Amino acid sequence: ETGVTQTPRHLVMGMTNKKSLKCEQHLGHNAMYWYKQSAKKPLELMFVYNFKEQTENNSVPSRFSPECPNSSHLFLHLHTLQPEDSALYLCASSQVITANTEAFFGQGTRLTVV
Amino acid sequence: GENVEQHPSTLSVQEGDSAVIKCTYSDSASNYFPWYKQELGKRPQLIIDIRSNVGEKKDQRIAVTLNKTAKHFSLHITETQPEDSAVYFCAASSSSGANNLFFGTGTRLTVIP
Repeated sequence: ETGVTQTPRHLVMGMTNKKSLKCEQHLGHNAMYWYKQSAKKPLELMFVYNFKEQTENNSVPSRFSPECPNSSHLFLHLHTLQPEDSALYLCASSQVITANTEAFFGQGTRLTVV
Repeated sequence: GENVEQHPSTLSVQEGDSAVIKCTYSDSASNYFPWYKQELGKRPQLIIDIRSNVGEKKDQRIAVTLNKTAKHFSLHITETQPEDSAVYFCAASSSSGANNLFFGTGTRLTVIP
């Protein structure tokens, strides 16, 4: 285990459902990220939080809504998703200091939208 | 933002041969270049990284080279083994404080026993 835990591991949801993905890190890091991994665009950066503040939103549709209540927890709220949103969603964390450091990934949530 | 391109998308080598994966980046401010390995069904994990103040770094059978002028960097795996089979991702990031990693599209490496 790398210290980054994601739940659930698998999720099947209908297009009208609302669900949330959860990520928790036990590494004392101060930055957390959501990535989308699909066959078309592997490891696509979605959201970045530094010190609980969102600093990056790479033109992600509003049907994805992130929440970072503290530096250890990160959520991704999902609503009215489309089948093309089916993918592996990976959470990662790192320690932001003066230089870049390693990002540790969780196991991911395999999302299927039906 | 940063744009990272990675080639080839697939690579097959005989066990014991070398494998080379190449990446280019667009943002001249990028100064951190990690490589991640993702085995089937598992999470990406860092295998080696390089910063812009060095041109080459080696760790046993793995080496990475960086050409800042040309904005490209490469991963070299020597004496490949079947357990090296995985998807490899390069990434680039700048020290703007945001620590954003932008990944390449990945290379699926298959080492044939």
